[in-house]
Amino acid sequence: AQTVTQSQPEMSVQEAETVTLSCTYDTSESDYYLFWYKQPPSRQMILVIRQEAYKQQNATENRFSVNFQKAAKSFSLKISDSQLGDAAMYFCAYRSAQNYGGSQGNLIFGKGTKLSVKP
Amino acid sequence: KAGVTQTPRYLIKTRGQQVTLSCSPISGHRSVSWYQQTPGQGLQFLFEYFSETQRNKGNFPGRFSGRQFSNSRSEMNVSTLELGDSALYLCASSLTGVGNTIYFGEGSWLTVV
Repeated sequence: AQTVTQSQPEMSVQEAETVTLSCTYDTSESDYYLFWYKQPPSRQMILVIRQEAYKQQNATENRFSVNFQKAAKSFSLKISDSQLGDAAMYFCAYRSAQNYGGSQGNLIFGKGTKLSVKP
Repeated sequence: KAGVTQTPRYLIKTRGQQVTLSCSPISGHRSVSWYQQTPGQGLQFLFEYFSETQRNKGNFPGRFSGRQFSNSRSEMNVSTLELGDSALYLCASSLTGVGNTIYFGEGSWLTVV
């Protein structure tokens, strides 16, 4: 079974600084997808960034980028120029690319990292 | 374009009662899945529906059930509620195909007293 581990329960960053959130995962599959979701106090899960395992190039979305190390099974999120609105819980998630019995594939989440942004 | 809509947003139930939560996916999305979020267990997958059929199920007791209608709307039901069922229940939808992004609703907060 696949597992996702986020080893940092809480992180703090100064506004305008850069912070990196860590995520490791375990899988025997070669094709899969990885995601970072943000959950602000409103509790709605918002997609931050996604990475296809077959792509070597790291995904980037504005101030958010990932460092995807497939061999090491590591998928960290870097937030540049941190803003007060970035304060939230961040979840790393894994999704298989296999279509088992017609399933679209569920997300397997890590426990999350609570990010605080100091003004 | 409207997002994933969940109703009700908040509800309080008594132990032993049952509850039904509703989810309307994003227009055009035919895959709907449900997740339970608690402080202790984190986010856990409940089940997934596609074309009115349950395609995948998480490790939850039979008290948790769901269904999907022909318009892709979905409901989940929890019978004989226990205190431990208190949680945020998140519904998510996506286009068909394993590579598509999963979008979440704002969730239904269930408190069991």
